[in-house]
Amino acid sequence: EAGVVQSPRYKIIEKKQPVAFWCNPISGHNTLYWYLQNLGQGPELLIRYENEEAVDDSQLPKDRFSAERLKGVDSTLKIQPAELGDSAVYLCASSETGRNTIYFGEGSWLTVV
Amino acid sequence: SQKIEQNSEALNIQEGKTATLTCNYTNYSPAYLQWYRQDPGRGPVFLLLIRENEKEKRKERLKVTFDTTLKQSLFHITASQPADSATYLCALGGNAGNMLTFGGGTRLMVKP
Repeated sequence: EAGVVQSPRYKIIEKKQPVAFWCNPISGHNTLYWYLQNLGQGPELLIRYENEEAVDDSQLPKDRFSAERLKGVDSTLKIQPAELGDSAVYLCASSETGRNTIYFGEGSWLTVV
Repeated sequence: SQKIEQNSEALNIQEGKTATLTCNYTNYSPAYLQWYRQDPGRGPVFLLLIRENEKEKRKERLKVTFDTTLKQSLFHITASQPADSATYLCALGGNAGNMLTFGGGTRLMVKP
Protein backbone atom coordinates (compact mmCIF):
# COMPACT_ATOMS: atom_id res chain seq x y z
CA GLU A 1 0.00 0.00 0.00
CA ALA A 2 1.33 3.41 -0.94
CA GLY A 3 2.13 5.81 1.86
CA VAL A 4 1.49 9.54 2.03
CA VAL A 5 2.88 11.13 -1.13
CA GLN A 6 4.12 14.70 -1.21
CA SER A 7 5.53 16.87 -3.96
CA PRO A 8 7.75 18.60 -4.65
CA ARG A 9 10.37 17.14 -2.33
CA TYR A 10 12.58 20.19 -2.62
CA LYS A 11 11.85 23.75 -3.62
CA ILE A 12 14.04 26.85 -3.68
CA ILE A 13 12.32 30.16 -4.34
CA GLU A 14 13.06 33.81 -3.94
CA LYS A 15 11.29 35.75 -1.23
CA LYS A 16 7.96 37.25 -2.18
CA GLN A 17 7.34 34.45 -4.70
CA PRO A 18 4.45 32.00 -4.29
CA VAL A 19 4.88 28.28 -3.67
CA ALA A 20 2.50 25.35 -3.45
CA PHE A 21 2.84 21.89 -1.97
CA TRP A 22 0.69 18.91 -2.86
CA CYS A 23 -0.25 15.90 -0.74
CA ASN A 24 -1.97 12.62 -1.53
CA PRO A 25 -2.93 10.78 1.68
CA ILE A 26 -3.16 7.06 2.23
CA SER A 27 -6.25 5.65 0.56
CA GLY A 28 -9.19 5.59 2.94
CA HIS A 29 -7.70 8.07 5.39
CA ASN A 30 -10.26 10.82 5.94
CA THR A 31 -8.11 12.90 8.27
CA LEU A 32 -5.31 14.93 6.72
CA TYR A 33 -2.75 17.16 8.44
CA TRP A 34 -0.20 19.72 7.41
CA TYR A 35 2.71 20.17 9.81
CA LEU A 36 5.62 22.59 9.77
CA GLN A 37 9.01 21.39 11.00
CA ASN A 38 11.91 23.73 11.56
CA LEU A 39 15.44 22.38 11.80
CA GLY A 40 16.08 20.68 15.12
CA GLN A 41 12.47 20.99 16.26
CA GLY A 42 9.41 18.79 16.31
CA PRO A 43 6.53 19.11 13.86
CA GLU A 44 3.94 21.80 14.58
CA LEU A 45 0.39 21.48 13.33
CA LEU A 46 -0.73 24.03 10.75
CA ILE A 47 -4.11 22.62 9.75
CA ARG A 48 -6.19 19.46 10.11
CA TYR A 49 -8.93 18.29 7.76
CA GLU A 50 -11.74 15.85 8.34
CA ASN A 51 -12.72 14.98 4.78
CA GLU A 52 -12.92 18.35 3.03
CA GLU A 53 -13.60 20.37 6.18
CA ALA A 54 -10.81 22.24 7.96
CA VAL A 55 -11.54 21.45 11.62
CA ASP A 56 -8.45 23.05 13.12
CA ASP A 57 -6.57 25.85 11.35
CA SER A 58 -5.79 27.99 14.38
CA GLN A 59 -2.03 27.79 13.78
CA LEU A 60 -2.17 28.58 10.07
CA PRO A 61 -0.87 32.12 9.32
CA LYS A 62 -3.83 33.10 7.23
CA ASP A 63 -2.33 36.30 5.89
CA ARG A 64 0.00 34.35 3.63
CA PHE A 65 -0.85 30.66 3.98
CA SER A 66 -3.85 28.90 2.52
CA ALA A 67 -4.86 25.28 2.18
CA GLU A 68 -7.56 23.34 0.46
CA ARG A 69 -8.70 19.75 0.25
CA LEU A 70 -11.08 19.43 -2.62
CA LYS A 71 -13.21 16.27 -2.74
CA GLY A 72 -11.77 15.20 0.59
CA VAL A 73 -8.70 13.45 -0.85
CA ASP A 74 -5.68 15.40 -2.13
CA SER A 75 -4.65 18.63 -0.47
CA THR A 76 -2.63 21.69 -1.43
CA LEU A 77 -0.82 24.08 0.88
CA LYS A 78 0.08 27.46 -0.57
CA ILE A 79 2.29 30.28 0.63
CA GLN A 80 1.99 33.67 -1.01
CA PRO A 81 4.18 35.61 -0.72
CA ALA A 82 6.96 33.54 0.83
CA GLU A 83 9.27 35.07 3.43
CA LEU A 84 12.76 34.04 4.48
CA GLY A 85 11.40 32.66 7.75
CA ASP A 86 9.19 30.21 5.87
CA SER A 87 12.22 28.05 5.08
CA ALA A 88 11.36 24.73 6.70
CA VAL A 89 10.01 21.26 5.99
CA TYR A 90 6.30 21.01 5.31
CA LEU A 91 5.00 17.60 6.33
CA CYS A 92 1.71 16.10 5.27
CA ALA A 93 0.18 13.28 7.29
CA SER A 94 -3.00 11.26 7.30
CA SER A 95 -4.95 8.94 9.57
CA GLU A 96 -8.15 7.00 9.71
CA THR A 97 -10.95 8.91 11.40
CA GLY A 98 -10.86 8.26 15.13
CA ARG A 99 -7.53 6.43 15.06
CA ASN A 100 -4.59 7.82 17.01
CA THR A 101 -1.75 6.78 14.73
CA ILE A 102 -0.85 9.22 11.98
CA TYR A 103 1.31 8.48 8.97
CA PHE A 104 3.67 11.09 7.59
CA GLY A 105 4.92 11.75 4.11
CA GLU A 106 8.59 12.45 3.43
CA GLY A 107 8.05 16.18 3.52
CA SER A 108 8.55 19.11 1.18
CA TRP A 109 11.75 21.03 1.89
CA LEU A 110 11.40 24.74 1.24
CA THR A 111 14.28 27.18 1.04
CA VAL A 112 13.44 30.86 0.59
CA VAL A 113 16.38 32.99 -0.55
CA SER B 1 1.19 26.94 28.42
CA GLN B 2 1.67 23.33 27.39
CA LYS B 3 5.27 22.27 27.20
CA ILE B 4 6.94 19.04 26.09
CA GLU B 5 10.61 18.65 26.85
CA GLN B 6 13.03 16.21 25.31
CA ASN B 7 16.76 16.39 25.76
CA SER B 8 18.00 18.52 22.91
CA GLU B 9 21.53 17.21 23.30
CA ALA B 10 22.40 14.08 21.35
CA LEU B 11 22.62 10.82 23.25
CA ASN B 12 25.72 8.81 22.37
CA ILE B 13 25.90 5.17 23.44
CA GLN B 14 27.85 2.08 22.59
CA GLU B 15 26.35 -0.70 20.51
CA GLY B 16 24.71 -3.37 22.64
CA LYS B 17 23.83 -1.00 25.48
CA THR B 18 20.35 0.17 26.40
CA ALA B 19 19.39 3.65 25.23
CA THR B 20 16.96 5.57 27.42
CA LEU B 21 15.28 8.72 26.17
CA THR B 22 13.13 11.00 28.29
CA CYS B 23 10.00 12.98 27.54
CA ASN B 24 8.67 15.36 30.18
CA TYR B 25 5.58 17.50 29.91
CA THR B 26 3.81 20.23 31.84
CA ASN B 27 0.36 21.79 31.79
CA TYR B 28 -1.01 18.84 29.87
CA SER B 29 -3.22 15.85 30.64
CA PRO B 30 -2.73 13.60 27.63
CA ALA B 31 -4.99 10.67 26.92
CA TYR B 32 -2.08 8.92 25.23
CA LEU B 33 1.55 9.38 24.29
CA GLN B 34 3.33 8.26 21.15
CA TRP B 35 6.94 7.83 20.10
CA TYR B 36 8.13 8.38 16.54
CA ARG B 37 11.43 7.82 14.81
CA GLN B 38 12.74 10.31 12.27
CA ASP B 39 15.73 9.73 10.02
CA PRO B 40 17.51 12.67 8.33
CA GLY B 41 15.53 13.93 5.35
CA ARG B 42 12.57 11.66 6.09
CA GLY B 43 9.18 12.04 7.74
CA PRO B 44 8.52 10.72 11.26
CA VAL B 45 7.54 7.05 11.54
CA PHE B 46 5.22 5.80 14.29
CA LEU B 47 6.76 3.36 16.77
CA LEU B 48 4.60 2.94 19.86
CA LEU B 49 1.50 4.32 21.57
CA ILE B 50 0.80 4.12 25.29
CA ARG B 51 -2.43 5.23 26.92
CA GLU B 52 -2.83 7.11 30.20
CA ASN B 53 -4.06 4.02 32.01
CA GLU B 54 -1.07 1.93 30.88
CA LYS B 55 2.23 1.87 32.73
CA GLU B 56 4.38 0.09 30.19
CA LYS B 57 4.32 -1.07 26.57
CA ARG B 58 6.76 -3.27 24.72
CA LYS B 59 7.48 -3.99 21.08
CA GLU B 60 10.47 -6.15 20.22
CA ARG B 61 13.52 -4.25 21.57
CA LEU B 62 11.48 -1.16 22.44
CA LYS B 63 9.89 -0.37 25.78
CA VAL B 64 7.90 2.70 26.76
CA THR B 65 6.80 3.71 30.23
CA PHE B 66 4.26 6.37 31.07
CA ASP B 67 4.03 7.98 34.52
CA THR B 68 1.16 10.46 34.62
CA THR B 69 2.08 11.48 38.18
CA LEU B 70 5.62 12.45 37.22
CA LYS B 71 4.36 13.64 33.82
CA GLN B 72 7.09 11.66 32.15
CA SER B 73 7.62 8.95 29.58
CA LEU B 74 10.78 6.91 29.16
CA PHE B 75 11.66 5.25 25.87
CA HIS B 76 14.12 2.36 25.99
CA ILE B 77 15.93 0.56 23.18
CA THR B 78 17.64 -2.57 24.42
CA ALA B 79 20.62 -4.15 22.67
CA SER B 80 21.02 -0.98 20.62
CA GLN B 81 22.44 -1.14 17.11
CA PRO B 82 24.01 1.51 14.85
CA ALA B 83 20.84 1.24 12.72
CA ASP B 84 18.90 2.65 15.70
CA SER B 85 20.69 5.98 15.22
CA ALA B 86 18.00 8.55 14.50
CA THR B 87 15.98 11.32 16.13
CA TYR B 88 13.19 10.14 18.40
CA LEU B 89 10.13 12.32 18.93
CA CYS B 90 7.53 12.01 21.63
CA ALA B 91 4.04 13.29 20.98
CA LEU B 92 1.12 13.79 23.32
CA GLY B 93 -2.46 13.31 22.28
CA GLY B 94 -5.73 14.41 23.78
CA ASN B 95 -9.27 13.19 23.41
CA ALA B 96 -10.35 15.98 21.04
CA GLY B 97 -9.76 14.33 17.73
CA ASN B 98 -6.31 13.20 16.63
CA MET B 99 -4.53 16.20 18.06
CA LEU B 100 -0.84 15.49 18.54
CA THR B 101 1.65 17.88 20.07
CA PHE B 102 5.28 16.98 19.46
CA GLY B 103 8.39 17.47 21.51
CA GLY B 104 11.58 18.71 19.90
CA GLY B 105 13.12 15.25 19.64
CA THR B 106 16.34 13.69 20.89
CA ARG B 107 19.03 12.51 18.51
CA LEU B 108 20.44 9.07 19.32
CA MET B 109 23.83 7.99 18.05
CA VAL B 110 24.79 4.33 18.53
CA LYS B 111 28.47 3.70 17.97
CA PRO B 112 29.82 0.31 16.85
